[in-house]
Amino acid sequence: AQSVTQLGSHVSVSEGALVLLRCNYSSSVPPYLFWYVQYPNQGLQLLLKYTTGATLVKGINGFEAEFKKSETSFHLTKPSAHMSDAAEYFCAVSDRTGGGNKLTFGTGTQLKVEL
Amino acid sequence: DSGVTQTPKHLITATGQRVTLRCSPRSGDLSVYWYQQSLDQGLQFLIQYYNGEERAKGNILERFSAQQFPDLHSELNLSSLELGDSALYFCASSSSLGSTEAFFGQGTRLTVV
Repeated sequence: AQSVTQLGSHVSVSEGALVLLRCNYSSSVPPYLFWYVQYPNQGLQLLLKYTTGATLVKGINGFEAEFKKSETSFHLTKPSAHMSDAAEYFCAVSDRTGGGNKLTFGTGTQLKVEL
Repeated sequence: DSGVTQTPKHLITATGQRVTLRCSPRSGDLSVYWYQQSLDQGLQFLIQYYNGEERAKGNILERFSAQQFPDLHSELNLSSLELGDSALYFCASSSSLGSTEAFFGQGTRLTVV
């Protein structure tokens, strides 16, 4: 079975500082990995995904993540935080057995951006 | 706007009741997924339909059922509701079985009192 662990349920950064949200995965097959963002009272929006190929993936809003197989990690980064980045972030791994793309999510990291 | 429409946005009902949540996928998407987001369990996959057929099942209670209709909209039926069923229920859709991107609706917030 696949699983995802997000380290740190709450992360606080200053505006302009580096954002680093950690995600480690467990998968018996080559994983497809995702980061989603959820703003208050909103649905989930895909930030970026890794399927195959280049291990450094760029997403929307200046976010990027690097797939590191040796570390079973897929950490999310952004060089400079903006107030509008305050939201909850979810890492997810896809279970592709039997077709489809059902996702197993981590417990989420609430990002707070302070002036 | 993801293109996935869920109705209603909010629902308050009493224990023991039955409710139906509705999802209209993005135009052309054949696959629909249902997820439950609660404080206790986090975000959990419930069930997937593809072109009208059940494709995968997750942690869905026997009191819950779903279906996908010929026009591809989907309904999630929750019966004999308990306080613990209070949660945000998301629907997501994707174009095909091989698609790696799912688009989420804004969810239905169910409160059981």
